[in-house]
Amino acid sequence: EAGVTQFPSHSVIEKGQTVTLRCDPISGHDNLYWYRRVMGKEIKFLLHFVKESKQDESGMPNNRFLAERTGGTYSTLKVQPAELEDSGVYFCASSQGGGDQPQHFGDGTRLSIL
Amino acid sequence: GENVEQHPSTLSVQEGDSAVIKCTYSDSASNYFPWYKQELGKRPQLIIDIRSNVGEKKDQRIAVTLNKTAKHFSLHITETQPEDSAVYFCAASKRGRKLIFGQGTELSVKP
Repeated sequence: EAGVTQFPSHSVIEKGQTVTLRCDPISGHDNLYWYRRVMGKEIKFLLHFVKESKQDESGMPNNRFLAERTGGTYSTLKVQPAELEDSGVYFCASSQGGGDQPQHFGDGTRLSIL
Repeated sequence: GENVEQHPSTLSVQEGDSAVIKCTYSDSASNYFPWYKQELGKRPQLIIDIRSNVGEKKDQRIAVTLNKTAKHFSLHITETQPEDSAVYFCAASKRGRKLIFGQGTELSVKP
């Protein structure tokens, strides 16, 4: 069974540009989460999808971040326009539906804003 | 708001010794507590988890204890090996929702 996959693994862009991150969850997992780790600090929650619906987007920092999960399969996270403080590692995780199921993480996308 | 405090931030032990990492959570409704190990440049990997209806769980050299009254849970690694060196994160969640992570503990096991 393939794990959670994220693309790209690393992205370097200039301030003001747009970047789109992609996450493919484990097949059959209804729950998809986005997290971010900034500058060696703790991993912080951004957003939770249940299938194609946003269950919780309380962690999204501002309206420059847009997440979608059309069709309830893969998800994208777009940052537009990128700011210096957006640099960090963006992780995606997925879990099966129905209660407290383990969340499985992808390798992350390291985003560097210059 | 919801918060998880993790200590220590760094921990250095000799190979063969035990390592203990402690976490405290603020939301009494939390009912699921996973521990993740993250090696440099790799994904956080779930190593053990515990649910609020259990006080202790063990898997080979790794054990986790939970004290619901004190809102405190701990990770115990026995007979540490150099390959246990990594950053360890505790987390808490409720009803299958977001994970609230601790700040992480950088464990170094010296041969």
